[in-house]
Amino acid sequence: AQSVTQLGSHVSVSEGALVLLRCNYSSSVPPYLFWYVQYPNQGLQLLLKYTSAATLVKGINGFEAEFKKSETSFHLTKPSAHMSDAAEYFCAVRIMDTGRRALTFGSGTRLQVQP
Amino acid sequence: EPEVTQTPSHQVTQMGQEVILRCVPISNHLYFYWYRQILGQKVEFLVSFYNNEISEKSEIFDDQFSVERPDGSNFTLKIRSTKLEDSAMYFCATRGENTGELFFGEGSRLTVL
Repeated sequence: AQSVTQLGSHVSVSEGALVLLRCNYSSSVPPYLFWYVQYPNQGLQLLLKYTSAATLVKGINGFEAEFKKSETSFHLTKPSAHMSDAAEYFCAVRIMDTGRRALTFGSGTRLQVQP
Repeated sequence: EPEVTQTPSHQVTQMGQEVILRCVPISNHLYFYWYRQILGQKVEFLVSFYNNEISEKSEIFDDQFSVERPDGSNFTLKIRSTKLEDSAMYFCATRGENTGELFFGEGSRLTVL
């Protein structure tokens, strides 16, 4: 079974500080991994995705994530937080060799950015 | 930029009433999904649809739920007899043939009273 775990339901950082949102996945085969962002009262927007190419993936708004197979992790980072980054962030996994083509989402991490 | 469009954006209904949520997918996408997000909780998979049939569904997607693509464009989610616990944001998502990513609509907020 595929699953994804996001450590920390709430993360608070100061503006300009490093953002680190953690995601670990469980899969017996290499997965596709995604980070989505959800701003208040809006839908889900793709930040970045890993699809078995480069392990360091760059996304929109200065975010990036690194796929680490040994740690089964896909943590999301941004060097310097901006107030506009305040949102809910979801990690998602999709296993490509099974009949399950849908994404499985983590429980989400709410990022607060303090001035 | 192509986008997934959902209507209505918000619907309030009485318990026991039928509700239909509509989604217009990106034009060349073939895979369609419905997800649900109860307020403050995680995004949960409901059902996936391909080639005019359900390809996968979760335990949440019971007999009260159905999906169809009646006119070849709209993709609908019907809840036959709504319950209080059906109150949630419902997201439609679509995917192209050769891409892993899902494109999500803005969501339809359903409030069951």
